[in-house]
Amino acid sequence: QSVLTQPPSASGTPGQRVTISCSGSSSNIGRNDVYWYQQLPGMAPKLLIYRNNQRPSGVPDRFSGSKSGTSASLAISGLRSDDEADYYCTTWDASLSGHVFGPGTKVTVL
Amino acid sequence: EVQLVESGGGLVKPGESLRLSCAASGFTFSNAWMSWVRQAPGKGLEWVGRIKRKDEGGTTIYGAPVKGRFTISRDDSKNTTFLQMNSLKTEDTAVYYCAAGRGVTDFDDWGQGTLVTVSS
Repeated sequence: QSVLTQPPSASGTPGQRVTISCSGSSSNIGRNDVYWYQQLPGMAPKLLIYRNNQRPSGVPDRFSGSKSGTSASLAISGLRSDDEADYYCTTWDASLSGHVFGPGTKVTVL
Repeated sequence: EVQLVESGGGLVKPGESLRLSCAASGFTFSNAWMSWVRQAPGKGLEWVGRIKRKDEGGTTIYGAPVKGRFTISRDDSKNTTFLQMNSLKTEDTAVYYCAAGRGVTDFDDWGQGTLVTVSS
């Protein structure tokens, strides 16, 4: 049972906007930055968003992140077929003294 | 180009040990924090642990499920980090990824993973 909560799935048609939530508590998201990773099928995870809303070079601006209080979200606009992947949020948990990952959200492009 | 290549995975019996290696290239290894993250078949990501830079004491920290059984070390002369896994349990079956923290996150770059299967 993860200390972070994500919806198991999200979907949209090409071109649509999809939002994925990541809910935590005051011991994790409430006091630390949130990071998002994309894991394409059969591949290693890849950094998508760092420090809540920053994109590494090479990540399209279709991907955006935000954080408020003890929740964070990842938005994918202009959905494309190659966005089909699992998306994970992660942060540091002060109570556990370790990194925690959300359970992941599988994005399907209809 | 940053490259991380894990090796050492395989099939072991419960209670046995295994040592994974992660060879790094394309960046200054001694400046990076190195982490291990695992993923059980069909499941999500789980943080295993991390080792800091040598000049920061090379201190390690572990997730609760592996604390006391797993040990992370590093050899900066070989640009390699290791994960020593003792007293393996069936629930340790997973793909093990090493990740390099080069200043942005603890997991800036990832290897391709190596599969560890613990089964009698």
